[in-house]
Amino acid sequence: DAKTTQPPSMDCAEGRAANLPCNHSTISGNEYVYWYRQIHSQGPQYIIHGLKNNETNEMASLIITEDRKSSTLILPHATLRDTAVYYCIVRSMNYGGSQGNLIFGKGTKLSVKP
Amino acid sequence: DSGVTQTPKHLITATGQRVTLRCSPRSGDLSVYWYQQSLDQGLQFLIQYYNGEERAKGNILERFSAQQFPDLHSELNLSSLELGDSALYFCASSVGPEVPYEQYFGPGTRLTVT
Repeated sequence: DAKTTQPPSMDCAEGRAANLPCNHSTISGNEYVYWYRQIHSQGPQYIIHGLKNNETNEMASLIITEDRKSSTLILPHATLRDTAVYYCIVRSMNYGGSQGNLIFGKGTKLSVKP
Repeated sequence: DSGVTQTPKHLITATGQRVTLRCSPRSGDLSVYWYQQSLDQGLQFLIQYYNGEERAKGNILERFSAQQFPDLHSELNLSSLELGDSALYFCASSVGPEVPYEQYFGPGTRLTVT
């Protein structure tokens, strides 16, 4: 699976959009980009995933560049409750082995400030 | 609430003892994953089951074992406990065993070995 690079920390003002970048320059054509977050010691929470196209759900938007080498998770109106560690994970859809599990890096610690 | 339940929430035990952690997946999910989160190692994949069968193994110690029962709940057994086994243990579930099915995490069991 492709390696991802995320900034270790970011700040965002409450009510503003939070844009979290992720670099995955070695991503291959069958690899999805997933975003999870973990609010202090709680179970990780699934946010969104995508393959090629931009995706949006009730929580966030995922923007994937045309060359797929990077992506941005956008929380449109960040609140204090969005303070968490955000993980960008690239996973292959090849069959077999340990392909189903998630490999968590260090993520980005997002602090939303009043 | 992800729909994944884990019991107990907290567990305190002594070195050398054995404990069992329990996980009930979301309704309809056939795959269960176990992850360990310690302060120095981050979130690490331990083992995956799909419809009662072991599917993939990660960094699971030989002192640890797991199983998934016909009703799809899963148990993680930790034996000959050491101080270093103190960690958060998360269970996750998904509909299918692989990408692109997203995983939903339970609230975790905090294990303290004294």
